[in-house]
Amino acid sequence: DAGVIQSPRHEVTEMGQEVTLRCKPISGHNSLFWYRQTMMRGLELLIYFNNNVPIDDSGMPEDRFSAKMPNASFSTLKIQPSEPRDSAVYFCASSSGSRYTEAFFGQGTRLTVV
Amino acid sequence: RKEVEQDPGPFNVPEGATVAFNCTYSNSASQSFFWYRQDCRKEPKLLMSVYSSGNEDGRFTAQLNRASQYISLLIRDSKLSDSATYLCVVNRASQGNTGKLIFGQGTTLQVKP
Repeated sequence: DAGVIQSPRHEVTEMGQEVTLRCKPISGHNSLFWYRQTMMRGLELLIYFNNNVPIDDSGMPEDRFSAKMPNASFSTLKIQPSEPRDSAVYFCASSSGSRYTEAFFGQGTRLTVV
Repeated sequence: RKEVEQDPGPFNVPEGATVAFNCTYSNSASQSFFWYRQDCRKEPKLLMSVYSSGNEDGRFTAQLNRASQYISLLIRDSKLSDSATYLCVVNRASQGNTGKLIFGQGTTLQVKP
């Protein structure tokens, strides 16, 4: 199994630009999570999907952030326009979805907004 | 107050020491519990699940106290390779049968020779 695959691994962009992060979950998993990690705030859950439907987006910081899951094997997290304070590592994780199972993480995208 | 709270440390211990980490959670609807390990600049990886009866995996022992909403991780005979950040994770029930994984801030362990 290839595990959760994220792209790009690193992204450097200028303030105001649009950034799109991509994630392919583990085949057969029906829950997908987007997390953001910073030194100050640790790992924060931004949004999660179950069966491609957004279940809880209460962690999305503001309207500049949006996430989609058009099918079971692909999700995107978009930031438009990006700001320097969005600089962080963004992780995607997937699980089989029940309340008793763990999640498996991708390697993350390290985003720097200058 | 954060939903999952951990002492951030760092814990600096010599090789061979026993070290314990604690974690508290605030939401009684939490259904399942885990410890993850995160190495510097890497993704979090599952270390072990935590069961009500307590469970052991080699040098690692996890305990859960639902009444006190408290989780612990004990590492015996610590090795240099145990140096990492340990994340307490709670799977809180959400819509239907889905779960929402909430992470603590993590506790940093440094094992010294």
